[in-house]
Amino acid sequence: GAVVSQHPSWVICKSGTSVKIECRSLDFQATTMFWYRQFPKQSLMLMATSNEGSKATYEQGVEKDKFLINHASLTLSTLTVTSAHPEDSSFYICSARSLAGGQGNEQFFGPGTRLTVL
Amino acid sequence: SQKIEQNSEALNIQEGKTATLTCNYTNYSPAYLQWYRQDPGRGPVFLLLIRENEKEKRKERLKVTFDTTLKQSLFHITASQPADSATYLCALAPNSGGYQKVTFGIGTKLQVIP
Repeated sequence: GAVVSQHPSWVICKSGTSVKIECRSLDFQATTMFWYRQFPKQSLMLMATSNEGSKATYEQGVEKDKFLINHASLTLSTLTVTSAHPEDSSFYICSARSLAGGQGNEQFFGPGTRLTVL
Repeated sequence: SQKIEQNSEALNIQEGKTATLTCNYTNYSPAYLQWYRQDPGRGPVFLLLIRENEKEKRKERLKVTFDTTLKQSLFHITASQPADSATYLCALAPNSGGYQKVTFGIGTKLQVIP
């Protein structure tokens, strides 16, 4: 149980294009989904938190107009990187927190999406 | 500012020995602390959670201690196996009500040598 999927697992795009990444909780309903970014040899950095049916909460320094987040249902959140540039190349990971709770704030992570912007 | 420190250098140990990883934090009062495993190119996998009022937690070959006075958590893997080789992340959640934002350390890479 508690499986989170991400699609695509990797994507290569040209500078200036937009890329959409999907995050799905497959066997549970997620009240909250989180989007992280991880650069090589660095820790996961929280970008934003999304709750189903409401606007995402962005962390300081993360441009909300560049990283569009939509949490349309209790099992799906999407992150769209708009007008991507090479500096946006990174490993993007989503996580979900179960509606049922669990061990406090246990988060279930997706496998990640490797974005490379040429 | 809040800081979580993990030994970013790789830890190499012999198969069968106990691996001990350290997580130190400053300017933080976590409600609980979590340990995750992350393999290359993959998302983290939750391992254990320990609350501020707990001293020790065990799960199979894993043991976590939490010393809020020292502001430190130790993560032990007993009878280590090559399959335990991965990066282990420490994560803390703040001691505040409502929504809990988790902050991750950089992780320690463990290499178990056959």
